[in-house]
Amino acid sequence: AQKITQTQPGMFVQEKEAVTLDCTYDTSDPSYGLFWYKQPSSGEMIFLIYQGSYDQQNATEGRYSLNFQKARKSANLVISASQLGDSAMYFCAMEYGNKLVFGAGTILRVKS
Amino acid sequence: DTGVSQDPRHKITKRGQNVTFRCDPISEHNRLYWYRQTLGQGPEFLTYFQNEAQLEKSRLLSDRFSAERPKGSFSTLEIQRTEQGDSAMYLCASSLWGGTYEQYFGPGTRLTVT
Repeated sequence: AQKITQTQPGMFVQEKEAVTLDCTYDTSDPSYGLFWYKQPSSGEMIFLIYQGSYDQQNATEGRYSLNFQKARKSANLVISASQLGDSAMYFCAMEYGNKLVFGAGTILRVKS
Repeated sequence: DTGVSQDPRHKITKRGQNVTFRCDPISEHNRLYWYRQTLGQGPEFLTYFQNEAQLEKSRLLSDRFSAERPKGSFSTLEIQRTEQGDSAMYLCASSLWGGTYEQYFGPGTRLTVT
């Protein structure tokens, strides 16, 4: 069965520094998609970045990049130059059968 | 593009009452999803529609839950005879099948059953 594991319940980072949020996944399907979403305290899930299993290069979207290591089944999110507004819950997810399977999330707090 | 909207944003109800939530997806999106999120957890899939057809339902969706998307546009999620365990955030998302892969989420409806 598809499973997403996020081992960091909470992380702190100093403003303007980079931070890596860990995500490992488990699937036997050769074709899959991996996502990261941000959930601020307001509750809305905000799409950040997508990586397809056949993509040769790591995905990047502005300050977000996805460190995709297929053999290790990891898809870590890297946020560069952290901002106070980055404080939120972050979820890693995998597309499975037309739906998303989410991890338990990591709370990120950016300190000024 | 106004994004996905959900109504109401908050609902407090007494155990045993019925509740109905509405979701309006992004207008050109043909897929619509419902998820449930309890405190401290990631969202869990409940069901999804492609146009007006309900294509998959999770085992989480008991007989007390029903979802519709009658004209392939907005969707409703009804919970009958609510229980305290139904207290959660109910999230709606939409996507364009055949387009990009991401699902766009609404702000959610927070249900509290007392």
